[in-house]
Amino acid sequence: DSGVTQTPKHLITATGQRVTLRCSPRSGDLSVYWYQQSLDQGLQFLIQYYNGEERAKGNILERFSAQQFPDLHSELNLSSLELGDSALYFCASSEAGWYTFGSGTRLTVV
Amino acid sequence: ILNVEQSPQSLHVQEGDSTNFTCSFPSSNFYALHWYRWETAKSPEALFVMTLNGDEKKKGRISATLNTKEGYSYLYIKGSQPEDSATYLCAFTGNQFYFGTGTSLTVIP
Repeated sequence: DSGVTQTPKHLITATGQRVTLRCSPRSGDLSVYWYQQSLDQGLQFLIQYYNGEERAKGNILERFSAQQFPDLHSELNLSSLELGDSALYFCASSEAGWYTFGSGTRLTVV
Repeated sequence: ILNVEQSPQSLHVQEGDSTNFTCSFPSSNFYALHWYRWETAKSPEALFVMTLNGDEKKKGRISATLNTKEGYSYLYIKGSQPEDSATYLCAFTGNQFYFGTGTSLTVIP
């Protein structure tokens, strides 16, 4: 157990739907990062939050959004889902540049 | 989008051999360089990080070198073991986080 918790582990949903992925960082870590791994691509950085504030944005689609709550857990919202959004979504938290990843949520859009 | 390139794409070595992989990254806007070990069906595991100010943290039998001026890093594994078989990712932190595509290592018993 890395200390970074992601739920759910698997999600199957239809095109056009909206889903929410959840991440709880390691105790004490203020930063949360979201990444996407598609079949045909490596790991892509989506977005970073630090203590509730958006810190950096990567290749995140406009249909996707995220937030970090006062208890530091984060949610990644994916809407108007397309087949191409099927991927493994990781979150990570960090302390002094050392990143710890969660086990990921595998999203399948059918 | 910045390119983080890794070579070789895959590598097979005998148990006990030492091995190394290369990561090249943009030398501008450098903040940190990371190496991760990624086994199938698991999440990436941090092995090494070095930041612009020289702070370094590492885990296990690995060692790494970093040249920020020319934009490359080498990861070394001494005395490879079958359990070292995995994909090794490097990642560059500038104003964003960029991963390379990885080097797949197979250690043959």
